[in-house]
Amino acid sequence: QVQLQESGPGLVKPSETLSLTCSVSGGSISTYYWNWIRQPAGKGLEWIGRIYSSGSTSYNPSLKSRLSMSVDTSKNQFSLKLSSVTAADTAVYYCARDRCSSCKLEFDNWGQGTLVTVSS
Amino acid sequence: QSELTQPPSASGTPGQRVTVSCSGSSSNIGSNSVNWYQQLPGTAPKLLIYRTNQRPSGVPDRFSGSKSGTSASLAISGLQSEDEADYYCAAWDDSLNGGVFGGGTKLTVL
Repeated sequence: QVQLQESGPGLVKPSETLSLTCSVSGGSISTYYWNWIRQPAGKGLEWIGRIYSSGSTSYNPSLKSRLSMSVDTSKNQFSLKLSSVTAADTAVYYCARDRCSSCKLEFDNWGQGTLVTVSS
Repeated sequence: QSELTQPPSASGTPGQRVTVSCSGSSSNIGSNSVNWYQQLPGTAPKLLIYRTNQRPSGVPDRFSGSKSGTSASLAISGLQSEDEADYYCAAWDDSLNGGVFGGGTKLTVL
């Protein structure tokens, strides 16, 4: 069973860059789409974007200007960078895998989530 | 404001059948399949229905999904107390070239 684990700072200052990494174990990162989803406290889910193992990306248009994703197949990891953060970016951030290479938003494996707070 | 619209709450008694609706547009539900997620408090969401009406292994057949035009529905029959959770619909949006979630529906088992 594939396992995903998010890691990164839990506290980021306003205007700085939020950086998270998702480590994949129990399976290869190749031939799948890997996604980031976030959830502010008490609110709903928001799709942030996804990256294929080849490096191809799709981003949420509302975040695209501040967003960057990358993949490191040698480490079986993928990463998220969100720049110029504000309090509105405070949320639990999840990484998740699409069920197949042609799947869209079919997340069969999720990380446990990591809380990122934007505050000075 | 979400691209997909769900009622904020729903409720039912044990054994009852309940449905959760998800309304979208021609660029998302009208053009793509719908997926449903169940989120228990304090946990990551779990894939409940994919490709509109398919159940992953391990999901009881009490859960079913359907779609008509630009709307989709999740039905839960034989409601159980452990079904009390938040439910989210999700679909790809061709106009946005990205994924969209519904705002979520909190299901209460009375």
